[in-house]
Amino acid sequence: DAGVTQSPTHLIKTRGQHVTLRCSPISGHKSVSWYQQVLGQGPQFIFQYYEKEERGRGNFPDRFSARQFPNYSSELNVNALLLGDSALYLCASSFGALQETQYFGPGTRLLVL
Amino acid sequence: GQQVMQIPQYQHVQEGEDFTTYCNSSTTLSNIQWYKQRPGGHPVFLIQLVKSGEVKKQKRLTFQFGEAKKNSSLHITATQTTDVGTYFCAEYQAGTALIFGKGTTLSVSS
Repeated sequence: DAGVTQSPTHLIKTRGQHVTLRCSPISGHKSVSWYQQVLGQGPQFIFQYYEKEERGRGNFPDRFSARQFPNYSSELNVNALLLGDSALYLCASSFGALQETQYFGPGTRLLVL
Repeated sequence: GQQVMQIPQYQHVQEGEDFTTYCNSSTTLSNIQWYKQRPGGHPVFLIQLVKSGEVKKQKRLTFQFGEAKKNSSLHITATQTTDVGTYFCAEYQAGTALIFGKGTTLSVSS
């Protein structure tokens, strides 16, 4: 069975640019969550989407937005990139929305120059 | 929201030695999850603890949830080089936000 997939695997952008990251959940999973992991830290929760609706939002600025599509895949968008946005962006899927086991994808490594 | 605190931040052991990482909270936890992240990899779910005083074992790994549900521990018996990585505890806040600790990075020398 395919796990969570993310694209692209690596990305280099410059300050002020916009980026879109994509995630496909495990088949049958209806919830997708996004996390930012800075080097040496634990993943930080950004968003959770369930059945195409935002169910949770972490402490991130409005430059971060996301959406979930009818096939349960998801996009994370970040506008006006800052150097501090450089991180590993992880997507995780779960079957339900509440206190479920999270299955993580390999992540997208974003470098902002 | 509050974050669970993990100690130690780093631990180096000789292969065959035991290893323990601790996760502490100032408030009662509804549940605690443990994840392992290998170097260059992504977090992989290990276990979830829900009940007060719960103890679960997975081969050489023993997970405990404190009686007051304010702390948890992961103990590895006789470490192997395959145990290398960062171990995170995490708790759900508001049911949907999984909040991770900063992790304990384990290195093992043979």
